[in-house]
Amino acid sequence: EGQLVESGGGLVQPGGSLRLSCAASGFTFSTFSMHWVRQAPGKGLEWVSYVSSSGSPTYYAESVKGRFTISRDNAKNSLYLQVNTLRDEDTAVYYCARARRYGLDVWGQGTTVTVSS
Amino acid sequence: EIVMTQSPATLSVSPGERATLSCRASQSISSNLAWYQQKPGQAPRLLIHGAFTRATGVPARFSGGGFGTEFTLTISSLQSEDFAVYYCQQYHNWPPITFGQGTRLEIK
Repeated sequence: EGQLVESGGGLVQPGGSLRLSCAASGFTFSTFSMHWVRQAPGKGLEWVSYVSSSGSPTYYAESVKGRFTISRDNAKNSLYLQVNTLRDEDTAVYYCARARRYGLDVWGQGTTVTVSS
Repeated sequence: EIVMTQSPATLSVSPGERATLSCRASQSISSNLAWYQQKPGQAPRLLIHGAFTRATGVPARFSGGGFGTEFTLTISSLQSEDFAVYYCQQYHNWPPITFGQGTRLEIK
């Protein structure tokens, strides 16, 4: 069925940057589009970004547009999210998830980003 | 942007009883709706897609229904492992993909 493992989260000051990674295994990564979804503490799910199987097109939530960049390396079976100019409200668990036309069917365990001074 | 609204925010039900969760879309989404289950400290899990099709491995006690703007998730006989938060999500018109705010199903 497949597995996704996120990494790269941590504590960062407002205005700082991080690069989140998602390692895929157990499926042919290069044939699937992917999403990032986040969840602030005690809150619901918020879609963040999408990338197609080839790397283009990409889409972003308005709340992160211009600050976050999604990318992938199909040779390394990896998905990335570069998060810049971080704000307090970006504090969340960030999940990568595999896209199907009918939903997000495989999720990672998440990586935590905490923005605080 | 399509807004998804779930009700109630919290539902208290006894084990063995039936639970019905609701989800409303701000405009018609045909049957392009998915349901997810999330337990504390875990990632969401896809339960239902296409409004009523169970994902692989999902028990038959979970059933989805609805079309257009009104949808339901029914759990016919609640087991202890079913107490969790449930989210609906539309994929009819995106980006953005949008989720409901969630329904917490708790033990009565």
